[in-house]
Amino acid sequence: GQNIDQPTEMTATEGAIVQINCTYQTSGFNGLFWYQQHAGEAPTFLSYNVLDGLEEKGRFSSFLSRSKGYSYLLLKELQMKDSASYLCAVMDSNYQLIWGAGTKLIIKP
Amino acid sequence: IAGITQAPTSQILAAGRRMTLRCTQDMRHNAMYWYRQDLGLGLRLIHYSNTAGTTGKGEVPDGYSVSRANTDDFPLTLASAVPSQTSVYFCASSDGGAGEQFFGPGTRLTVL
Repeated sequence: GQNIDQPTEMTATEGAIVQINCTYQTSGFNGLFWYQQHAGEAPTFLSYNVLDGLEEKGRFSSFLSRSKGYSYLLLKELQMKDSASYLCAVMDSNYQLIWGAGTKLIIKP
Repeated sequence: IAGITQAPTSQILAAGRRMTLRCTQDMRHNAMYWYRQDLGLGLRLIHYSNTAGTTGKGEVPDGYSVSRANTDDFPLTLASAVPSQTSVYFCASSDGGAGEQFFGPGTRLTVL
């Protein structure tokens, strides 16, 4: 079956760095997405990886290893506004997104 | 309007009633999607449409139907609502293929 695993909840301190991991098993692979979702709001796109390696976009970076079925989202210089859920999603062979349950990130002052 | 809109924002519905959730996008995206989001679970695809005039079933289609008469609109209908359909419903659109999906603000539906 298809499966996306990510931690349920993480806590970090303002100004610090946090890494959110995602492992996946899917039928086919057409890329991995990270979305941010604030409580009560819609998910918004953060990053897309289809090749192995690190993609950097400001304070956020995303890494992919296709051979290991593994990705992580790295958030630097954490701000209180980064408190949100972070959703990992894999696009399968039918170009449908398979979603993880999300990681709730709590930022403490 | 800009992006995707959904209506209503929230709704409380008696079991057995019929309900249509509306979704409109103005980005001229070919593909549109309906998801439900439940606590502790990932977003689950209900139905999708790759282009106007075509629709397909997702992971959890039972009890729901959709239509795609034109590019902009993608309504989701619950023919006879049941309490297990209590959820937050998100509509999304994309250019198709591996393009990112853009989400509407969601509809919070409670079926009693």
